[in-house]
Amino acid sequence: GQNIDQPTEMTATEGAIVQINCTYQTSGFNGLFWYQQHAGEAPTFLSYNVLDGLEEKGRFSSFLSRSKGYSYLLLKELQMKDSASYLCAVWDSNYQLIWGAGTKLIIKP
Amino acid sequence: DGGITQSPKYLFRKEGQNVTLSCEQNLNHDAMYWYRQDPGQGLRLIYYSQIVNDFQKGDIAEGYSVSREKKESFPLTVTSAQKNPTAFYLCATRAQGDTGELFFGEGSRLTVL
Repeated sequence: GQNIDQPTEMTATEGAIVQINCTYQTSGFNGLFWYQQHAGEAPTFLSYNVLDGLEEKGRFSSFLSRSKGYSYLLLKELQMKDSASYLCAVWDSNYQLIWGAGTKLIIKP
Repeated sequence: DGGITQSPKYLFRKEGQNVTLSCEQNLNHDAMYWYRQDPGQGLRLIYYSQIVNDFQKGDIAEGYSVSREKKESFPLTVTSAQKNPTAFYLCATRAQGDTGELFFGEGSRLTVL
């Protein structure tokens, strides 16, 4: 079966750095997404990785290793507004999007 | 403004009633999707449509129905056959040829009383 694993919940301190991991087992791979979702709201796009390596976008970076079936989202200089759920999703070989259950990130002052 | 509009945002339904959730987009995107989100679970695909007058079942289509008569519109009907319909429903679009980024509406929260 197809599966995406991410931690259920993480806690970090304002101003610090946090890394949210995602491992996947899918039938094929055509790209990996990270989305941010605040409580009660729609997910919003953060990043897309299809090749191995690090993609940096401001305070957020996303890393992919296809051989390991692994990605992480790195958030720097954490702000209170970063408190949200972070969803990992993978396009499989049929371009069906497989979603992880999300990681709830709690930021403490 | 370009975007996706879902309505209603909140909906209460009695058991045995059908309800229809609206999704309208002016992004000129071909593909549209309906997802269901429950606490502690990933998004689950209900139905999707890649072109007008055509749609396919997703992983949890039982108890739901859709139509795609216009490119801009993809309404979802939650029928009385859906045994556990209380959930957060998300409509999304995707432009062909792009990375596959999905754009989401604000969601509709359905509660069955």
